[in-house]
Amino acid sequence: QKEVEQNSGPLSVPEGAIASLNCTYSDRGSQSFFWYRQYSGKSPELIMSIYSNGDKEDGRFTAQLNKASQYVSLLIRDSQPSDSATYLCAVKYDTGFQKLVFGTGTRLLVSP
Amino acid sequence: EAQVTQNPRYLITVTGKKLTVTCSQNMNHEYMSWYRQDPGLGLRQIYYSMNVEVTDKGDVPEGYKVSRKEKRNFPLILESPSPNQTSLYFCASSSADRWLNTGELFFGEGSRLTVL
Repeated sequence: QKEVEQNSGPLSVPEGAIASLNCTYSDRGSQSFFWYRQYSGKSPELIMSIYSNGDKEDGRFTAQLNKASQYVSLLIRDSQPSDSATYLCAVKYDTGFQKLVFGTGTRLLVSP
Repeated sequence: EAQVTQNPRYLITVTGKKLTVTCSQNMNHEYMSWYRQDPGLGLRQIYYSMNVEVTDKGDVPEGYKVSRKEKRNFPLILESPSPNQTSLYFCASSSADRWLNTGELFFGEGSRLTVL
């Protein structure tokens, strides 16, 4: 089993809709969870981090963490064509040296 | 401007010809790391460094070397490149405090390497 798993997509949503991106992870003392956005040909940029169970909201983005079920999700409200990108889930494991493991990413396409 | 700078951004080379990809950050970060990104495999860590003269292997270190002689620089060395090292490479950095407490990374723009 991969440490961090994501559906590769593409996930297609119309402009203005809610995009829901999901990520599951192996539970190995994990403690921090991140969503990075990567535009085609560009470097990843951090958009959300979450450290405890529940929801965390930042503008149009909401990260949700459920440690019991070992999943992290990202909701994007009022999706815009500029949100079209690959979204990488990353989990920081606290095992010896703290290790950041990335999922393979979900490609999101927002159509006008 | 705070940034992580990689060079070259694009390189086509041939099997066996030694090459170095440089990485430099101007944020006085202690932690630096190299990742490679391949379709279907995501970002995988090659090497990391917690500070000057302190480096360690990541998940896919075979065929690579690194050095950390100065805090700002963390070059990635391919002594004898092979076609399976064709990939998109990213350097990333963070302060020790930010890395240990949050895990947030700042990425360079990437270096696309093709080995023929």
